[in-house]
Amino acid sequence: DAGVIQSPRHEVTEMGQEVTLRCKPISGHNSLFWYRQTMMRGLELLIYFNNNVPIDDSGMPEDRFSAKMPNASFSTLKIQPSEPRDSAVYFCASSLSGINEQFFGPGTRLTVL
Amino acid sequence: AQSVTQLDSHVSVSEGTPVLLRCNYSSSYSPSLFWYVQHPNKGLQLLLKYTSAATLVKGINGFEAEFKKSETSFHLTKPSAHMSDAAEYFCVVSGATGGGNKLTFGTGTQLKVEL
Repeated sequence: DAGVIQSPRHEVTEMGQEVTLRCKPISGHNSLFWYRQTMMRGLELLIYFNNNVPIDDSGMPEDRFSAKMPNASFSTLKIQPSEPRDSAVYFCASSLSGINEQFFGPGTRLTVL
Repeated sequence: AQSVTQLDSHVSVSEGTPVLLRCNYSSSYSPSLFWYVQHPNKGLQLLLKYTSAATLVKGINGFEAEFKKSETSFHLTKPSAHMSDAAEYFCVVSGATGGGNKLTFGTGTQLKVEL
């Protein structure tokens, strides 16, 4: 199995631009999680989906952030407009519902100038 | 509510000596507990997990952890550190929150291994 796949691995953009991060979960997993990791705040859960439905988005910082899961094998996290304080590593993870173990992707390192 | 406290933000050991990374948890439910490791510029990898079976859990790379309910602890140990163990380690708790298997992460312990 290829594991959780994230793209791009690195993204550098300018303030105000739209950024889209992508995630492909492990085949057969029906829960998907988006996290953000920074030095200041550590690892934060932004949103998670169960069977493609958003269950808890209380961690999404503000309206500039949105996430979708149009099907079981793909999810996006969009930031529009991006700001320098959004610079972080964004991780996607997936799991089987009812099984607590989550499998993490390699992350996307986002830099907003 | 659930939470974990990692008692040390940095731990430094010599190669070949034992490793102890401390973690205390708080949970309203019977918790599932995990240790994840993150090497520099990498994603998080599961080391081991406790899910109410044996209280002594063995993981990958020679690590193990013991669940102690009376002490609400889940400390991570390894008898002999290797240079490749240098990484950041996260203690994690999961519990039924009515909405799936959310994980709550500790703040991490940076392990340094010296020659």
